[in-house]
Amino acid sequence: AQKVTQAQTEISVVEKEDVTLDCVYETRDTTYYLFWYKQPPSGELVFLIRRNSFDEQNEISGRYSWNFQKSTSSFNFTITASQVVDSAVYFCALSGRGSGAQKLVFGQGTRLTINP
Amino acid sequence: GAVVSQHPSWVICKSGTSVKIECRSLDFQATTMFWYRQFPKQSLMLMATSNEGSKATYEQGVEKDKFLINHASLTLSTLTVTSAHPEDSSFYICSADSPSDEQYFGPGTRLTVT
Repeated sequence: AQKVTQAQTEISVVEKEDVTLDCVYETRDTTYYLFWYKQPPSGELVFLIRRNSFDEQNEISGRYSWNFQKSTSSFNFTITASQVVDSAVYFCALSGRGSGAQKLVFGQGTRLTINP
Repeated sequence: GAVVSQHPSWVICKSGTSVKIECRSLDFQATTMFWYRQFPKQSLMLMATSNEGSKATYEQGVEKDKFLINHASLTLSTLTVTSAHPEDSSFYICSADSPSDEQYFGPGTRLTVT
């Protein structure tokens, strides 16, 4: 069975601080995809990143960066120089084999609050 | 990018009535769509996989007779909550698979049953 664990339920930091959101996953598939989504108060899921299991390169996109380590089954997300607009619930998710036809298993989510 | 719409975006209905939620892929054909439910301050839980032209596949614990799913065309899947009760109040989100193997989420439908 597939499982995603986001141990941090809530995080609160002051603006401009760096913050890391943890994600640990379990799967028996050798081919799988990992995702991060942002969910602002409006409820709409905002896609942030998709990473396949064969690509362990870290990724950086502006203030966002992701660290994928298969050895520890982790896919952590770091926001550098956080801003108030980063406040949202962030979900890590996992799908097996193909990212399309396979259903997503979501973690419990981390509610991030950035205080001015 | 690809767009998936949901209608309505929010709905309030009385207990015992049925509510239909539509999920449309606007610029691509989707043979597979997914329906998720999210209770307040909780994660998204998959309810069912909707396959065009065939019966939906429901996750364990989801009543198929209560949550009717129809995927009659490659761009439309509908979820009907039958005989809704207050405990069915939730945020329902659909997603659709694109031909390029990307999955796109709709904006969600907030259902309140009074």
